[in-house]
Amino acid sequence: EAGVAQSPRYKIIEKRQSVAFWCNPISGHATLYWYQQILGQGPKLLIQFQNNGVVDDSQLPKDRFSAERLKGVDSTLKIQPAKLEDSAVYLCASSLPLLAAGNQFFGPGTRLTVL
Amino acid sequence: AQSVAQPEDQVNVAEGNPLTVKCTYSVSGNPYLFWYVQYPNRGLQFLLKYITGDNLVKGSYGFEAEFNKSQTSFHLKKPSALVSDSALYFCAVRDGGAGNMLTFGGGTRLMVKP
Repeated sequence: EAGVAQSPRYKIIEKRQSVAFWCNPISGHATLYWYQQILGQGPKLLIQFQNNGVVDDSQLPKDRFSAERLKGVDSTLKIQPAKLEDSAVYLCASSLPLLAAGNQFFGPGTRLTVL
Repeated sequence: AQSVAQPEDQVNVAEGNPLTVKCTYSVSGNPYLFWYVQYPNRGLQFLLKYITGDNLVKGSYGFEAEFNKSQTSFHLKKPSALVSDSALYFCAVRDGGAGNMLTFGGGTRLMVKP
């Protein structure tokens, strides 16, 4: 079974530039998550999708971050414009639909460096 | 609000010795508890979870964890550590009554020395 795919793996940009990350979840997983993991910290949930609908985006900085999952499969996370403090690893995860006990399966992440 | 605390930034243990990585949590309802491991340049991998039932949960790679409701703890354990167990370990919790939102602890780096 293929895992969660993410691209790119690494990205370096200057502040005020824009960047986009892509995620392809495990086949059949209706729930998709984007996390931000700052160096030395645990992952923090940014947004959660159920199919193509947003379940929770309470911690997404909506003035600069946006995410979509138009067809209920792949998802993109965008930052525009980037700030220095956005430097982090962005993790995508997927799981079976909103099961309380369900495991989340994580992709390898995209490491973003903002200069 | 739910939260997780991992009081140790790093745990050092000699190969072959038992290891414990500590985790305490706070939720308003029944806790669903998870442990994940992160190797360098890789995503998080699921180790084990507690949902209900037996307080001692067994997981991957010989790891186990003990749920203690009175102490609100979910410590990760392994009877005999391997050098290959060296990695970053994250405890996570979610309220069983809410959506599937996980709250992670800050992580504990486990260093197993030969």
